[in-house]
Amino acid sequence: DTEVTQTPKHLVMGMTNKKSLKCEQHMGHRAMYWYKQKAKKPPELMFVYSYEKLSINESVPSRFSPECPNSSLLNLHLHALQPEDSALYLCASSQEGGLSVEKLFFGSGTQLSVL
Amino acid sequence: GDSVTQMEGPVTLSEEAFLTINCTYTATGYPSLFWYVQYPGEGLQLLLKATKADDKGSNKGFEATYRKETTSFHLEKGSVQVSDSAVYFCALSDDPGGYQKVTFGTGTKLQVIP
Repeated sequence: DTEVTQTPKHLVMGMTNKKSLKCEQHMGHRAMYWYKQKAKKPPELMFVYSYEKLSINESVPSRFSPECPNSSLLNLHLHALQPEDSALYLCASSQEGGLSVEKLFFGSGTQLSVL
Repeated sequence: GDSVTQMEGPVTLSEEAFLTINCTYTATGYPSLFWYVQYPGEGLQLLLKATKADDKGSNKGFEATYRKETTSFHLEKGSVQVSDSAVYFCALSDDPGGYQKVTFGTGTKLQVIP
């Protein structure tokens, strides 16, 4: 299994809603990532988990709350979002490599619309 | 900090034309370089990579050579197909602490017409 699976594929939510995005991989990768991609822009790193611990938070607003319940799962909890948070949210994983360079495996993303 | 600059698109080519998408980078140290491709409605897929100077990455007819002296990693393909229409991202990565911090360029949209 060489896939990163993200659910849901599409999500529409109001500014007062609470929702969660889910990401799953079964490749034994120990680093998992959330990226945000606005239309016609490159992906921007939000969070990195390494060995289930948060390693990087790129100054993301607290209305985005990541969670890594185990080495295969990564969630992104959403609360009180703004319309400008509408974007494609991409999950990725990579093998912990140390000195070896491994590629990122990306999921196909969740297209989020905040009304 | 690290940065990647790639040519603005869209690039429109006829089928079987030669493709070049320019990419230059700035980085401290010795990064690895990548090209990712994103088809409409999908996530990113690694197209090719090079990990050190003068390495050539290749895949599906696409090639790019890591040029340290010009800090470049231009993407080329000899004969494009309609199915190559997508957005192409040049990227670099260092590997601090055992995870990948990837810096992406702004993307170049390629449109191939029959």
